[in-house]
Amino acid sequence: GENVEQHPSTLSVQEGDSAVIKCTYSDSASNYFPWYKQELGKGPQLIIDIRSNVGEKKDQRIAVTLNKTAKHFSLHITETQPEDSAVYFCAAPLYSGAGSYQLTFGKGTKLSVIP
Amino acid sequence: DTEVTQTPKHLVMGMTNKKSLKCEQHMGHRAMYWYKQKAKKPPELMFVYSYEKLSINESVPSRFSPECPNSSLLNLHLHALQPEDSALYLCASSQLLAGQGQPQHFGDGTRLSIL
Repeated sequence: GENVEQHPSTLSVQEGDSAVIKCTYSDSASNYFPWYKQELGKGPQLIIDIRSNVGEKKDQRIAVTLNKTAKHFSLHITETQPEDSAVYFCAAPLYSGAGSYQLTFGKGTKLSVIP
Repeated sequence: DTEVTQTPKHLVMGMTNKKSLKCEQHMGHRAMYWYKQKAKKPPELMFVYSYEKLSINESVPSRFSPECPNSSLLNLHLHALQPEDSALYLCASSQLLAGQGQPQHFGDGTRLSIL
């Protein structure tokens, strides 16, 4: 069936280093790819998103790249800080039948930034 | 602070109780969602409302009953729940349906424990 695969499931980096999380999706018609950050005790917070008509988008220390041909997209965090520690989810709209698409989440990546 | 407000933040109930979860947003969004999230898992879609009409029910047991009184409010009525229903219940909203490339905004959830 349609799905979104996310890797790695856990990631530990030293403060100041970069972190990269990758996702692949199965539905070639998907056209919108958000990334969410979920801190302990909180709901998922949208941190960046990209649409299929661009290949890269940046917002300060965060960037997302998209390769539509290969059907994968990645989150890049540079100069990581302890407050970046959280669980990160990618998502993509996948076909769910009857002409509708639903946002489907990857399984999440627990990022730990070591001071 | 999140723009989607959920109450209560925590709820403990017995299996014979009836309770309701509430969600409110004032961003003018016309799509609202209920998700269930178990520990270390991604959010799992339960219900979708579009223009106050139920558009998707992801085969959720009838002991969960959603209601959308108006475009700003979403309720989830709970009755005769099971211990396995203990989870974080998240509400989200988007301008239009998320499958059409609309960012979803989440509340911080209600942590539900069934005794």
